[in-house]
Formats: sequence, C-alpha cells, structure tokens
Amino acid sequence: ETGVTQSPTHLIKTRGQQVTLRCSSQSGHNTVSWYQQALGQGPQFIFQYYREEENGRGNFPPRFSGLQFPNYSSELNVNALELDDSALYLCASSGTGYSPTEAFFGQGTRLTVV
Amino acid sequence: GDSVTQMEGPVTLSEEAFLTINCTYTATGYPSLFWYVQYPGEGLQLLLKATKADDKGSNKGFEATYRKETTSFHLEKGSVQVSDSAVYFCALSDRGSWGKFQFGAGTQVVVTP
Repeated sequence: ETGVTQSPTHLIKTRGQQVTLRCSSQSGHNTVSWYQQALGQGPQFIFQYYREEENGRGNFPPRFSGLQFPNYSSELNVNALELDDSALYLCASSGTGYSPTEAFFGQGTRLTVV
Repeated sequence: GDSVTQMEGPVTLSEEAFLTINCTYTATGYPSLFWYVQYPGEGLQLLLKATKADDKGSNKGFEATYRKETTSFHLEKGSVQVSDSAVYFCALSDRGSWGKFQFGAGTQVVVTP
C-alpha cells in the first residue's frame, strides 16, 4: 500500500469526449507525475506537477492537461478523446525530504475509449 | 535522449529456477536505475534501486548491480517462486528529476509450479 490513490479505477468514454482522472498523493509529497501505459508497453511520462506548477512534459499533445491543488492532489484532463488514448493511467508521487529519486505509484485508472 | 532496453518476454521458468532479465540504458548523465514490478491489475511497485556506479540494489531475493562500463542493470534472482510471476520494468531517472522516469517496455515473467 503506497498511500497514492487514483480514481476512478475504470471508465469507458466515447471518442471525442473529455475525461478527468484524479490522484491523491502520499502524505508529505509535493510532486505528482502522470504516466500513460498502453497495453503491453512500459509507462510513458506525460507531465509532472511540483507545488502546483507544471515541471516538465513528455511528448504528449496539449489536449492532455493537468492541475495540482494546494493539498498536492492532482488531476489529469484529456480532451477530444481518441481511440489510442485507451490505456492505464498511472500517477506517482514523490517529494523533498524523501529519497529524491524514489516515487510511489497508484494502482492506476484504466481508460477505454470506444 | 535517454532510453532503456530490456529483454522481451515472456520468460517462462519452473519454480526454484534462476532468473535473469537483461536491461541496458542510454543516458547523457549519471542516472539512478530502478526495477519496478507490476502484478496483474495493479500499479507499479518499486523492487530495488541503485543511485551510482557499482551500487547493488537488493530486495526480496532480487539483485541488480549498476554497471556504468556496460551501461547495464540486469535483474537476477537465484530461486523464483510462483508468486514472482509479474511484469518487470527497468527504469532510469536523471539526477534531480524526481518522479520522471524513462521505462523499458517490460518483461513478463511466468513461473510454473
């Protein structure tokens, strides 16, 4: 049990719709990173939020956006969903004062776009 | 850019067999290296890590040594159990890049009784 929780665990959306995924970081962690894991592949870095500011972005289009709140929880928003957005979305929390290279992952949100 | 290459699976073994999963990396600096494990339907769990050359990470009977000269971080376990069946991911993170990982494609390991 990592203390990182994601919601919902599963959801199904239609192509063109918008979706919001949520992540509660581990207590004391001020950094949240989001990853997309397509079936049979390794996770791909989407972006990271540190103290409510975006702190790095991977090779994802602008329709992937995020937020971090004062309590360091985070949202991932995806607009204009495409079939290829079907994947497991993982968030990871990390923070100063802990091993700076370590991150703790949630169980993920399985998104299916039909 | 940084990249991680690991051996393709599935790797199928009998219980008590020796496991090796090869992992090599490309990085411009001196990254930290990790092995994460993913059980069916779950997120990623840190298995072990090494933060500098020649460091050995170990946990639950698994070991991996950070080899800068061969840019490798191979995972080994001397005697696997059925409960070790999972997907294993090798990953790197550059210094100062907390939470930003470059993952390999993953290697599925299946251990049969």
